[in-house]
Amino acid sequence: AQRVTQPEKLLSVFKGAPVELKCNYSYSGSPELFWYVQYSRQRLQLLLRHISRESIKGFTADLNKGETSFHLKKPFAQEEDSAMYYCAPGGTSYGKLTFGQGTILTVHP
Amino acid sequence: GAVVSQHPSRVICKSGTSVKIECRSLDFQATTMFWYRQFPKQSLMLMATSNEGSKATYEQGVEKDKFLINHASLTLSTLTVTSAHPEDSSFYICSARDYGRGQETQYFGPGTRLLVL
Repeated sequence: AQRVTQPEKLLSVFKGAPVELKCNYSYSGSPELFWYVQYSRQRLQLLLRHISRESIKGFTADLNKGETSFHLKKPFAQEEDSAMYYCAPGGTSYGKLTFGQGTILTVHP
Repeated sequence: GAVVSQHPSRVICKSGTSVKIECRSLDFQATTMFWYRQFPKQSLMLMATSNEGSKATYEQGVEKDKFLINHASLTLSTLTVTSAHPEDSSFYICSARDYGRGQETQYFGPGTRLLVL
């Protein structure tokens, strides 16, 4: 069965501090990995995908197949990064996504 | 980016009535749309995959006769909660799959808050 674990439900950091949101997955085949973000009162939106290997809003995520992890990192957190973050591996079956429980990130001034 | 709308944004209905929720892709065509359910402070749970011109594929534990899905056009999928009961009260979110620049991306609607009295 597909499974995604985001161990931290809440994560608080101060502005300028590094932040890492953890994600571990158990998935058959070779999934594509995504991070989605939901800012307050906004809809869910794609933050980044592992295939692109790009940095969005200063965030990066490295896929570690050995550890089956896809942690999201940012070296210097900003207050506007405060949001709910979801890790979501996707399969090839019509592009279905499996969402983790989500991590609420709060960046304090 | 691509935009997905949902209508209504919130609905209150009496127990036993049916409620229809629409999901539209506004500036792209979507052969596949997804319906999710989200309980307070919990993650999104995939209910079903809606395929244009064919039957929806339901996830395990989701009653297909309870949650009717119709995807009659490339820009519209509807979810009908039949004979709604208070336990069906939830936040329903749809997404539509788009292929752009050689990449597949799911775009999400704003969600529909359903309250069954």
